Amino acid sequence: DTAVSQTPKYLVTQMGNDKSIKCEQNLGHDTMYWYKQDSKKFLKIMFSYNNKELIINETVPNRFSPKSPDKAHLNLHINSLELGDSAVYFCASSQEGGTYEQYFGPGTRLTVT
Amino acid sequence: QKEVEQDPGPLSVPEGAIVSLNCTYSNSAFQYFMWYRQYSRKGPELLMYTYSSGNKEDGRFTAQVDKSSKYISLFIRDSQPSDSATYLCAMSATPPGGGNKLTFGTGTQLKVEL
Repeated sequence: DTAVSQTPKYLVTQMGNDKSIKCEQNLGHDTMYWYKQDSKKFLKIMFSYNNKELIINETVPNRFSPKSPDKAHLNLHINSLELGDSAVYFCASSQEGGTYEQYFGPGTRLTVT
Repeated sequence: QKEVEQDPGPLSVPEGAIVSLNCTYSNSAFQYFMWYRQYSRKGPELLMYTYSSGNKEDGRFTAQVDKSSKYISLFIRDSQPSDSATYLCAMSATPPGGGNKLTFGTGTQLKVEL
């Protein structure tokens, strides 16, 4: 049983294109996140949704638009892709309380050429 | 200067060695401290969680927090080749979740050799 899944796993595209990444969690968590991990492994939060409501919106270009159709899904749409967008994008989810563990998906490796 | 600093490594040790991984931070408001382990081409997974100062032990892993020095450590005893991964420290001023963000270090790459 996959807890947090992402599609696609790999994405190679050209500059200027528009692409989407999808995320689904079957853990019943209320909060979902998008992170960007650069080539030096630095993991930085981009967005967070709680029960379909946007609650964290870091300094991210407005070419990035998240959308949460329901609390189990969080998608990321990227317009006009740039070379600097090349990275691994991770989706994660968590539930309030306990250890506040964030469960990460396997990542989507985006390469912009 | 980043809020959380971590030596990227790589750190290479022989099997059975004691490994010490460290992070320093600048935000004195941080109270929630975590260590995530990330295997190659996988997502991070939570290894240890500590609230405020002190030590926490779980099997071969010990997490230490020294808030006065703004310094946290993860010790791995009897290291195994399966411990080879990138270790990311993460911290938060408020309970991480909901609207409260987690700030990650850059990760230390560890390789345990036979």
